[in-house]
Amino acid sequence: NAGVTQTPKFRVLKTGQSMTLLCAQDMNHEYMYWYRQDPGMGLRLIHYSVGEGTTAKGEVPDGYNVSRLKKQNFLLGLESAAPSQTSVYFCASSAGFHNSPLHFGNGTRLTVT
Amino acid sequence: AQSVTQLGSHVSVSEGALVLLRCNYSSSVPPYLFWYVQYPNQGLQLLLKYTSAATLVKGINGFEAEFKKSETSFHLTKPSAHMSDAAEYFCAVSTSKTSYDKVIFGPGTSLSVIP
Repeated sequence: NAGVTQTPKFRVLKTGQSMTLLCAQDMNHEYMYWYRQDPGMGLRLIHYSVGEGTTAKGEVPDGYNVSRLKKQNFLLGLESAAPSQTSVYFCASSAGFHNSPLHFGNGTRLTVT
Repeated sequence: AQSVTQLGSHVSVSEGALVLLRCNYSSSVPPYLFWYVQYPNQGLQLLLKYTSAATLVKGINGFEAEFKKSETSFHLTKPSAHMSDAAEYFCAVSTSKTSYDKVIFGPGTSLSVIP
């Protein structure tokens, strides 16, 4: 009963490098989200998807791209990492109804030097 | 527009004492309300949710919350704190009028439990 799985758990990048964060869910949820969590700023939505093949911008999308080629996977890409992208990234999924809770992964701690 | 405030960014209680974490919301339509807990180095997990079925909602680990429309509040309580309750707690709101990217989270309250 894995729920939402994020890989990797930790990553250190140099400025300008690229990377992809992978999120996988096994609950057959339609909706998936990428958040970043920074001290004193709570959770901020980066991008989200309301179904396979769809993506949409959230509150802080600049510098990130996403893809949802399969229903169970949601990828977050950083094309050219910047120190401002140092953060903890969380993936979440939900059934999509307004009263459906979000199910979160355990996070990826990214440091950009 | 919806919003959530959590009074007190940090709360300390003694082990065995009452836990009270405050959440107030603003919404022009009936809200759905959630409490999430985040343990160190983990993601958020659902403690409980209010979806209009009952104003007193019971969640996991002995927590409960009461929806008070007149006070626009959804405070989280636990009668007796345990050391394992030390975590970050987030209140969140959505509504039937909210687009799916607009689950609004409060800033969080860090709970410390003193032995």
